[in-house]
Amino acid sequence: EVQLVESGGGLVQPGGSLRLSCAASEFAFSVYAMNWVRQAPGKGLEWVSYISYSSTSVHYADSVRGRFTISRDNAKNSLYLQMNSLRDEDTAVYYCARDADGHLDHWGQGTLVTVS
Amino acid sequence: VVVTQSPLTLPVTLGQPASISCRSGQSLVSGDGNTYLNWYHQRPGQSPRRLIFKVSNRDSGVPDRFSGSGSGTDFTLEISRVEAEDVGVYYCMQGTHWPPITFGQGTRLEIK
Repeated sequence: EVQLVESGGGLVQPGGSLRLSCAASEFAFSVYAMNWVRQAPGKGLEWVSYISYSSTSVHYADSVRGRFTISRDNAKNSLYLQMNSLRDEDTAVYYCARDADGHLDHWGQGTLVTVS
Repeated sequence: VVVTQSPLTLPVTLGQPASISCRSGQSLVSGDGNTYLNWYHQRPGQSPRRLIFKVSNRDSGVPDRFSGSGSGTDFTLEISRVEAEDVGVYYCMQGTHWPPITFGQGTRLEIK
């Protein structure tokens, strides 16, 4: 069964930085594109970023472009999200999600980022 | 592309059917002929789980009481007989006109 485990969340002050990680297992990570999706407390889902399997293609939501950087290490089966210049409105649970069969087929359990 | 769900809250009696609508601002038919419209279910305190991909394809392990239909700009998720475990929030998602991938506002299903 596909496993995605996020880590790295926590409390950070506005303007600060945080790096999220997502450890993937039980599937061939290196051949799948990946995404980050977030959910503010009590709110809906917001797509954040995408990275192709080879890292040659990346995309960002307008709300995070220029502040967040997505990356991956296929040798370590890991996905990352470097978040800089954090704002109050970035407070959310961040999920990593595999991109297959029309996007976002499997999701991790999420990691909470609180900017305050 | 904006996707709009209705209703936002759906009270349902156990064993009765339920239906959720999702409408997009433009056709979700892609240049490759596919329509990238998915449905997700999120139980309280859990991460979302995909139920349906590309309009009508059920994911592995999803009960057959869940079905998806529609075309172009209008889509529907139907539950033939609601069970207690079906409570939570349902989201539609469009992945045709991306980036960005966009989600509907969510529909909260509750048991009467």
